[in-house]
Amino acid sequence: QITLQESGPALVKPTQTLTLTCNFSGFSLTTSGAGVAWIRQPPGKALEWLALIYWDDDKRYSPSLASRLTLTKYTSKSQVVFRMTNMDPVDTATYYCVHRSMGDAFDVWGQGLMVTVSS
Amino acid sequence: DIQMTQSPSSLSASVGDRVMITCRASQTVSSYLHWYQQKPGKAPTLLIYAATTLHSGVPSRFSASGSGTHFTLTISSLQPEDFATYYCQQSYSGSSFGQGTRLEIK
Repeated sequence: QITLQESGPALVKPTQTLTLTCNFSGFSLTTSGAGVAWIRQPPGKALEWLALIYWDDDKRYSPSLASRLTLTKYTSKSQVVFRMTNMDPVDTATYYCVHRSMGDAFDVWGQGLMVTVSS
Repeated sequence: DIQMTQSPSSLSASVGDRVMITCRASQTVSSYLHWYQQKPGKAPTLLIYAATTLHSGVPSRFSASGSGTHFTLTISSLQPEDFATYYCQQSYSGSSFGQGTRLEIK
């Protein structure tokens, strides 16, 4: 059974860097085809894809946010760390860590972590 | 960037109705198109992947079609638990989601 759990601060100040950790189980990021994505959802708004890291360390970022995003995987710890720099109140959202299936869809989602950006 | 546009943005329907939601891509996404359901306060769940394939455990009243730039999600006979928001998502080039379709009880 695949599970993912996001952790990190619930509140960050404007201009700070957000660091979120995804701890997962039930799969390995060394397995060919595996991937972990980050997706966010501002309150009352639509889902927004942010980034994806593959088993081979290939990384894809949302073009509109790429300059602010970094993904790192720690395979032995079954962790993916997500960083977003220069946080702004518009970045207030629930942030999800998600498993990429072999069918290229997002088949298992973490419960999400609400992050508020406010001074 | 590939833009995904869903229609309608919201929809009122009754239990037992047949409902269709459309998703259009700004350029071809081949069959790299997936559908999700989201209920209030919950993470989305996968319904359909690769444009037409029903995800494990999803009721057969859900179906989908399309390829290229035009896709459709159909719910054949609405059940009370189907009232939710639905999203399409492409994974052809990076990824992106549609704006969502809110399905409400009439």
